[in-house]
Amino acid sequence: QVQLVESGGGLVKPGGSLRLSCAASGFTFSDYYMSWIRQAPGKGLEWVSYISSSSSYTDYADSAKGRFTISRDNAKNSLYLQMNSLRAEDTAVYYCARGGLLQVPWYWGQGTLVAVSS
Amino acid sequence: EIVLTQSPGTLSLSPGERATLSCRASQSVSSTYLAWYQQKPGQAPRLLIYGASSRATGIPDRFSGSGSGTDFTLTISRLEPEDFAVYYCQQYGSSPWTFGQGTRVEIK
Repeated sequence: QVQLVESGGGLVKPGGSLRLSCAASGFTFSDYYMSWIRQAPGKGLEWVSYISSSSSYTDYADSAKGRFTISRDNAKNSLYLQMNSLRAEDTAVYYCARGGLLQVPWYWGQGTLVAVSS
Repeated sequence: EIVLTQSPGTLSLSPGERATLSCRASQSVSSTYLAWYQQKPGQAPRLLIYGASSRATGIPDRFSGSGSGTDFTLTISRLEPEDFAVYYCQQYGSSPWTFGQGTRVEIK
């Protein structure tokens, strides 16, 4: 069965950096776009970024542009999100999901919590 | 950016009743790219409906989606105890992907 397991979250100071990872299994990872979607505490869902199956295409929400970088390693079945210049408003649970662009995000991981606070 | 507005914000109903949730878009959305999710506390969202009206794998047939253009609806024909949750609509046909703010379905 499809499994997506995020890791790398934690507490970081404003201006700091964090790298999230998502380990995928149960499907042919290299066939699918992958995405990051976040949810601030008690709030709704916000798309962050997605990446094409071959890494040739990426897209970002305005809130992430210039600060976050999405990448993947198809040999390791892994998705990443490098987050720099973190702000308090980046505090959220970050989910990785299978899908992107015109592919519905069908499967989601359980999420990893990122807290940005001094 | 396509803004999705869900209504009502909260729906208070009893088990066995019918739930009708609305999702209105600020501009036309291809029905091919409209999805509905269910989220329970502490859990990731679960895909219910994609392409406006297609049920995802394993989703009971009491869940149905309809609509086109700017108006979409999720209907739960008879609420079961496990259906009380928050529901989100999403469009994935244009960048940026956007989600509605959610409708909470609570037990009356």
